[in-house]
Amino acid sequence: AQKITQTQPGMFVQEKEAVTLDCTYDTSDQSYGLFWYKQPSSGEMIFLIYQGSYDEQNATEGRYSLNFQKARKSANLVISASQLGDSAMYFCAMRDTFSVDSNYQLIWGAGTKLIIKP
Amino acid sequence: GAVVSQHPSWVICKSGTSVKIECRSLDFQATTMFWYRQFPKQSLMLMATSNEGSKATYEQGVEKDKFLINHASLTLSTLTVTSAHPEDSSFYICSARDTPGANVLTFGAGSRLTVL
Repeated sequence: AQKITQTQPGMFVQEKEAVTLDCTYDTSDQSYGLFWYKQPSSGEMIFLIYQGSYDEQNATEGRYSLNFQKARKSANLVISASQLGDSAMYFCAMRDTFSVDSNYQLIWGAGTKLIIKP
Repeated sequence: GAVVSQHPSWVICKSGTSVKIECRSLDFQATTMFWYRQFPKQSLMLMATSNEGSKATYEQGVEKDKFLINHASLTLSTLTVTSAHPEDSSFYICSARDTPGANVLTFGAGSRLTVL
């Protein structure tokens, strides 16, 4: 069964340090996509970064990069030079069943609460 | 970028009343919208997929008569929590894809429901 695992319930990181949030996934599909979303205390879900299973390069978006290790089935989020505003919940998610676009489904991890210390 | 507007952000109601939450796509048409529920300190739980012009597809365990979904236009989906009870108190959040086949979901800001 498809599954997303985020093993870190919470993390404290000093401001300006880099931080890695772990995400492992399980799927039998060959074609899938991996996402990271940020949820501040206000509640909205903010899309950060996407990695397709066939993408050869690790995805990057500004200070965010996705360390995609396909053989290990991991898709860790790396935030460089962390800022106080990065404090939030972070969710890893996966989409498979690409073959049926009408059956769009995201499988979500439990989330990691990141707190940036000044 | 694509924007999904959700209203209201906060609602407090008495037990037994019904509450309607609106989800609008502001600058794109959404044939499909997704409604999630989130309990405190937990992940998102998909409740149903709202389909424009047809019945919503509910996830297993979600009461159709409790959570009424209407997707009457390409830009508006509504979730009505009927005869709300304290156990319905939760954070409800909607989302949509800004183009058919898009991978990324755009989320509304969420609605926090408290039933007294």
